[in-house]
Formats: sequence, structure tokens, C-alpha cells
Amino acid sequence: SQKIEQNSEALNIQEGKTATLTCNYTNYSPAYLQWYRQDPGRGPVFLLLIRENEKEKRKERLKVTFDTTLKQSLFHITASQPADSATYLCALEEGTGGFKTIFGAGTRLFVKA
Amino acid sequence: EAQVTQNPRYLITVTGKKLTVTCSQNMNHEYMSWYRQDPGLGLRQIYYSMNVEVTDKGDVPEGYKVSRKEKRNFPLILESPSPNQTSLYFCASSLAGVGTGELFFGEGSRLTVL
Repeated sequence: SQKIEQNSEALNIQEGKTATLTCNYTNYSPAYLQWYRQDPGRGPVFLLLIRENEKEKRKERLKVTFDTTLKQSLFHITASQPADSATYLCALEEGTGGFKTIFGAGTRLFVKA
Repeated sequence: EAQVTQNPRYLITVTGKKLTVTCSQNMNHEYMSWYRQDPGLGLRQIYYSMNVEVTDKGDVPEGYKVSRKEKRNFPLILESPSPNQTSLYFCASSLAGVGTGELFFGEGSRLTVL
């Protein structure tokens, strides 16, 4: 079955550095992949969507890459700030039609001032 | 303000006592979905609905029911709750199914079944 893996260990970085989070998947070739941010006790908030024919996508300090050969997406936050501290989830659809969404367990990011 | 509203936000109940978690969206979205989130397991899809009167199972539908009688509402029903249904539940909606854009999530409903 489709499986998504994100680093279960928290990522601790210093303010101003670039945070890089990894999302690996197996047994499927999704047409797109999404990234969400989730703060404690809150619902996930959409950040970026990248399609299979897009190698890279940017939004302000965020950058996402999508390597369909490696079956991997990388999520970068440049010039990180303490306010970026949160859990980041990747998600993709299972099957055709995109109606069943699978989420990774998320990676917790801590940015120290 | 565009939003997905869930109620109740917090609920403690006992085994076997039927309960309903309501979900309403004001964005005229066709697609709605329910997820549960458990530590270490991430978000798992329970049920989804492509439109009014069209629903289908996600990955963990056992013990749950849903209905979609109106476009804006998608209640989650636990007919006979059990302790393994203690979890954080999220409702989400999207304009026309995933892949066309973002999922909008509610703030979550934390359910404890004793």
C-alpha cells in the first residue's frame, strides 16, 4: 500500500538558517504532492502544491522540490524564524481521481532564536 | 470569512453513547472529508464526499457513519463509540476534490471515549 515517510525526529535549527524537511513515498506515482503546516491543537493549513511535471515551486521563503524518480519531496524554509516552529505535513492522493488523501505523520520543526 | 466549523471542539463521552460531530463549510465546496489524527500515525482519512448524497470510505471507516444531505454540512456519526475512537478529528473541504487545490481544515474536535 501507499506509504509516506517523514522524519519522525524533530528538527532543531538556528534562526536565519535554512530548514530542509524530507518526504519520501513508496508504491505509487502521485500526480501532485502538498505541504501543510500544523500548529499544536490547530487544523493543518495548506502551504504549497507541486505537480509531477514541476521540479520546483517557490512561495516567499518556502521552496518545494519534487523528484518523481527518487520518490521524494524536499521542503525548504529559508531565513527561518522562531515563528516557523510547527509541524509540517506532506500529503498525496492515493489512486486515481485524487479522492483519498494520505498524509505523512509530519516533522516537528523548532527554530531557536 | 471562509471557514470550516466543527462542533463540539471537545467532548468526553462513555462507551456506547451515540454522538455526532458536526462540520459545516461556507465556501460552497463540493468535496468534504473527515480525518482522525493520532500520535505517531498522522492524519488518516475516515470518509469523504464528492458532492451531495455521494460519500465513500477512506482508510479507517470502521465504527463511523457520515451523511451529506446538504452541500455545506458533513456530520460524522459514531453510533456506538469505543475507547479506540478516542482521537483528534478534523473535517476538511476543497473546491472540487484534492489535486485541484488546497484542503481547508476545521479547528478539530478532541473526543475522549471512556
